[in-house]
Amino acid sequence: GDSVTQMEGPVTLSEEAFLTINCTYTATGYPSLFWYVQYPGEGLQLLLKATKADDKGSNKGFEATYRKETTSFHLEKGSVQVSDSAVYFCALRSGANSKLTFGKGITLSVRP
Amino acid sequence: EAQVTQNPRYLITVTGKKLTVTCSQNMNHEYMSWYRQDPGLGLRQIYYSMNVEVTDKGDVPEGYKVSRKEKRNFPLILESPSPNQTSLYFCASSRHLRGSPISYTFGSGTRLTVV
Repeated sequence: GDSVTQMEGPVTLSEEAFLTINCTYTATGYPSLFWYVQYPGEGLQLLLKATKADDKGSNKGFEATYRKETTSFHLEKGSVQVSDSAVYFCALRSGANSKLTFGKGITLSVRP
Repeated sequence: EAQVTQNPRYLITVTGKKLTVTCSQNMNHEYMSWYRQDPGLGLRQIYYSMNVEVTDKGDVPEGYKVSRKEKRNFPLILESPSPNQTSLYFCASSRHLRGSPISYTFGSGTRLTVV
């Protein structure tokens, strides 16, 4: 079945550091890929998405490129801020039932 | 404002006492789904519904029931809660275009504790 693997966390960075969060997937067919963010005490918000190979999703300075050859969708940001502290989930959707398959999530803490 | 509303936000209950977590969306979405979030496991789908009166099991349906009598509502029912159902629950809805979902909106979550 479908699966999403995220790098182990938590991750702690200093403000303005470069961020990479790795995500790889296994899926049949051609999944759509997503990054969701969960701020403390809140629900999930869509951060960015890509629906086909080589698409780049971007939002709020974050980027991720759909790499079919490496089955990856790594999240990057050039300069993190304290306000980026949250839990980040990589997810994919494939199949007719619209199910999102999530990775385990990774907690990012950014210190001033 | 377009949103998915879950109630309650927090609930502490005792083993075996039936409870219902409500979910309502105001976006006329066809698709609705329930997930549970547990540390180290991410989010796992419990049940989903493609439209009114159409529901199906997700990955972890045991101990849960759902119904979809109206398009806007998708309650999650725990007939006899047990401590292993202590978790953070999210409802989500999605709009479809030509048979494919094009956006997902999540509720704010319900933190359930079963003692």
